[in-house]
Amino acid sequence: DTGVSQDPRHKITKRGQNVTFRCDPISEHNRLYWYRQTLGQGPEFLTYFQNEAQLEKSRLLSDRFSAERPKGSFSTLEIQRTEQGDSAMYLCASSTDSPYEQYFGPGTRLTVT
Amino acid sequence: AQSVSQHNHHVILSEAASLELGCNYSYGGTVNLFWYVQYPGQHLQLLLKYFSGDPLVKGIKGFEAEFIKSKFSFNLRKPSVQWSDTAEYFCAVNPNDYKLSFGAGTTVTVRA
Repeated sequence: DTGVSQDPRHKITKRGQNVTFRCDPISEHNRLYWYRQTLGQGPEFLTYFQNEAQLEKSRLLSDRFSAERPKGSFSTLEIQRTEQGDSAMYLCASSTDSPYEQYFGPGTRLTVT
Repeated sequence: AQSVSQHNHHVILSEAASLELGCNYSYGGTVNLFWYVQYPGQHLQLLLKYFSGDPLVKGIKGFEAEFIKSKFSFNLRKPSVQWSDTAEYFCAVNPNDYKLSFGAGTTVTVRA
């Protein structure tokens, strides 16, 4: 069990550029979650997948954000036309259907300049 | 609005002191409860969890938490802290079967 991995760990981009992050869940976990964490706050839920189906999206996930999990394994989170307010740590987690313990990856820290 | 509240933003204590971190939530109905810890430079790790049964749950590294349903609380305790317990601690509530709602976190600094 290698845990949840995320790539890249850090991303610096200019406002208006598009960025894509990748998450590889624990291999036997069929659920995958994305969260966003800003300084001084706990993680906030963005979206989740059960296998390849995206079942829930937070209102935090604007139209500029899109997430995919095409084969029910890894997932990507894309942010189009980045804004400075998108600067945050983007966390990925995975779990089985039951129990719902979520295991987190190291995160991707995004800085929009 | 439904939320998770952690009472302390920053706690500073000496080694061997006892630690208690408060957590209250405002969700009704059945919830699953968690404490996560983030050590400096590391990712979030699950410290302990409550799904049902005995309201006093034990986790890793000597931590325990008590679920008091009538108070909507899930407080974390450790009788004697060590310098290595310096970390940020997050309480989280799972009001359905997917979304975790986190508190803002408590930074714990243990002085040697």
